[in-house]
Amino acid sequence: GDSVTQMEGPVTLSEEAFLTINCTYTATGYPSLFWYVQYPGEGLQLLLKATKADDKGSNKGFEATYRKETTSFHLEKGSVQVSDSAVYFCALTPFNQAGTALIFGKGTTLSVSS
Amino acid sequence: GAVVSQHPSRVICKSGTSVKIECRSLDFQATTMFWYRQFPKQSLMLMATSNEGSKATYEQGVEKDKFLINHASLTLSTLTVTSAHPEDSSFYICSAGGQGVYGYTFGSGTRLTVV
Repeated sequence: GDSVTQMEGPVTLSEEAFLTINCTYTATGYPSLFWYVQYPGEGLQLLLKATKADDKGSNKGFEATYRKETTSFHLEKGSVQVSDSAVYFCALTPFNQAGTALIFGKGTTLSVSS
Repeated sequence: GAVVSQHPSRVICKSGTSVKIECRSLDFQATTMFWYRQFPKQSLMLMATSNEGSKATYEQGVEKDKFLINHASLTLSTLTVTSAHPEDSSFYICSAGGQGVYGYTFGSGTRLTVV
């Protein structure tokens, strides 16, 4: 079945460092891809998404590009802030199945220190 | 934008009692809602999918008699944990949508502690 694999954490960075969190997926067809962020004790917030190959999602300085050839959707940010400390989840929905549940990776904890 | 309100945010109950968690879509109608369970430092595990007016579809391994899901209206879905035990302690999150312009919208989660 469809699945998402993301890098193990935790990721610990200093403020203004460059961030990459790797995410790869297994799916048939062309799934939609998402990054969600979860702050302590809260639900999930959509960070960005991409719905077709070569699309780039971006928000709040974060970016991810849908790479069909490498089945990847890596999350990047050029300069992290302490406020970016959270858990980041890569997720997908299967191709052409609107209304089905998201399939999540295991999450990557990011800790940014000043 | 779309907002999903989930209550309560925290609940502590005694073993053997039942707890109801509500998930409301405030400014849109949610035909479909999803319930997840999240263990500490782990990902979200889909428990069930509920569609308004019909029975919920449970994932393999989830006890439907223990986790009762009701989706009686387009704006409200409830999860009742019946005869709760300490092993049911967890973080429960609901999500609405997956269709249309709003995409998936998550509630803020409920921390259940069974003592």
